[in-house]
Amino acid sequence: AQSVTQPDIHITVSEGASLELRCNYSYGATPYLFWYVQSPGQGLQLLLKYFSGDTLVQGIKGFEAEFKRSQSSFNLRKPSVHWSDAAEYFCAVGAESSASKIIFGSGTRLSIRP
Amino acid sequence: AAGVIQSPRHLIKEKRETATLKCYPIPRHDTVYWYQQGPGQDPQFLISFYEKMQSDKGSIPDRFSAQQFSDYHSELNMSSLELGDSALYFCASSSTKELGASYEQYFGPGTRLTVT
Repeated sequence: AQSVTQPDIHITVSEGASLELRCNYSYGATPYLFWYVQSPGQGLQLLLKYFSGDTLVQGIKGFEAEFKRSQSSFNLRKPSVHWSDAAEYFCAVGAESSASKIIFGSGTRLSIRP
Repeated sequence: AAGVIQSPRHLIKEKRETATLKCYPIPRHDTVYWYQQGPGQDPQFLISFYEKMQSDKGSIPDRFSAQQFSDYHSELNMSSLELGDSALYFCASSSTKELGASYEQYFGPGTRLTVT
C-alpha cells in the first residue's frame, strides 16, 4: 500500500536560514508527489507537484523539491525562510489504487525563530 | 481565478443531529473529493465523485453519504453525529480533461464542524 512518511513532527528555523523538510514515500510505480501548506485554521494550498520529467521542481513562494527515486524521497527546500512561512507542511502521494485520492503524510509543523 | 467554494464555513451541531456540507468545484472541473481532518491530524480521504458517479471510497463512515449533482456541486450528508465527527472537512476538485491533471486537486477552505 502507498504511504508517506514525514519524520519530523516539528522544526524550528531562524528567519533567513535555509530549510529542508523531509518526505519519504512508499509506492509501487512512478509516484505522483505533492507538497501542500496549511496555515492555522486554513485550507490546503498546493506548493508544488511532481508527475514526471525534471526531478527538481519549482513551486510557489520560493520553494523547490527534489524527487530521488533511489531514496524514495521528495524533500522540500527553501534557501531563506520568512516569518510568513510558519505553517504545517504536508507531503502527499497520488494513490496507486485509483487515479483519485491523495494520501497525506502526518505533516511537519514549521516554526520560525525571529 | 475561481476557487473551490464550501459552505457553510463553520457549523455547530449536537450529538445525534444531522449535517449537510456543500461543495462547489472550480468551473469545468468534473471530479470532487471529500477529506476529513481531525484536530492535529492529516487529511483523510473520504469519498470522490466523477461525472456524478462515485469513483473512489475511503474511510467514510456508514452514517455519512455523499452525492454529486448535475451542476457538479457535491453534498456530504452526515447523520447521527458523534463527538468524534468534529473536524475540518475539505472538498477538492480536479479536471480529468488533461493528462495527469486528475492528480492535481484544488482544495476549498474547508468546513469546520463542531459536534457538542
